[in-house]
Amino acid sequence: AQSVTQLDSHVSVSEGTPVLLRCNYSSSYSPSLFWYVQHPNKGLQLLLKYTSAATLVKGINGFEAEFKKSETSFHLTKPSAHMSDAAEYFCVVSGGYGGATNKLIFGTGTLLAVQP
Amino acid sequence: GAVVSQHPSRVICKSGTSVKIECRSLDFQATTMFWYRQFPKQSLMLMATSNEGSKATYEQGVEKDKFLINHASLTLSTLTVTSAHPEDSSFYICSAEDEGIGDHYGYTFGSGTRLTVV
Repeated sequence: AQSVTQLDSHVSVSEGTPVLLRCNYSSSYSPSLFWYVQHPNKGLQLLLKYTSAATLVKGINGFEAEFKKSETSFHLTKPSAHMSDAAEYFCVVSGGYGGATNKLIFGTGTLLAVQP
Repeated sequence: GAVVSQHPSRVICKSGTSVKIECRSLDFQATTMFWYRQFPKQSLMLMATSNEGSKATYEQGVEKDKFLINHASLTLSTLTVTSAHPEDSSFYICSAEDEGIGDHYGYTFGSGTRLTVV
């Protein structure tokens, strides 16, 4: 079975400082891992995804995440926060390979606040 | 890139009425779509997996007679909330499997529907 744990429900940073959103996963298979961002009352936008290629994944808006199998982690980082980064971030795992049963398992989310 | 259109974005209905939410894949065919429900300040909970041309697969605890899913074409899935009650008020989001990379599928999400039952 797959699961994902987001270690922080809230993170607050100052504009221009680094962002670190932590995520640990559990999977019986070689997982696919995703980070999505959700702005208030909006759908989800894919930031980046790991699919067994390079362990350091670069996404949109300057975000990146590193897949560390030994630590079962997939933390999301950004060197310098922008006010527009304030949103809810979800770490997501999908186990196994393709097909209609390839469900997404969502973390509980991390609310990122960016202070001016 | 892949785009999923979800409509309506907001709907207010009276208790006892039914509401239909549409989810369309605009530039790709989606054999499989997913319906999620999100309560305020909580994560997304998968309600059901919608398969084109066959019955939907519901998650445990989701009433299939309450939440009717139809996936009649490769680009459209609908969720109908029947006999809505105030406790059905929530944010509903659909997603569709797109082509992804290799054996690992990608997922595109709609923009969500805010349902308020009064």
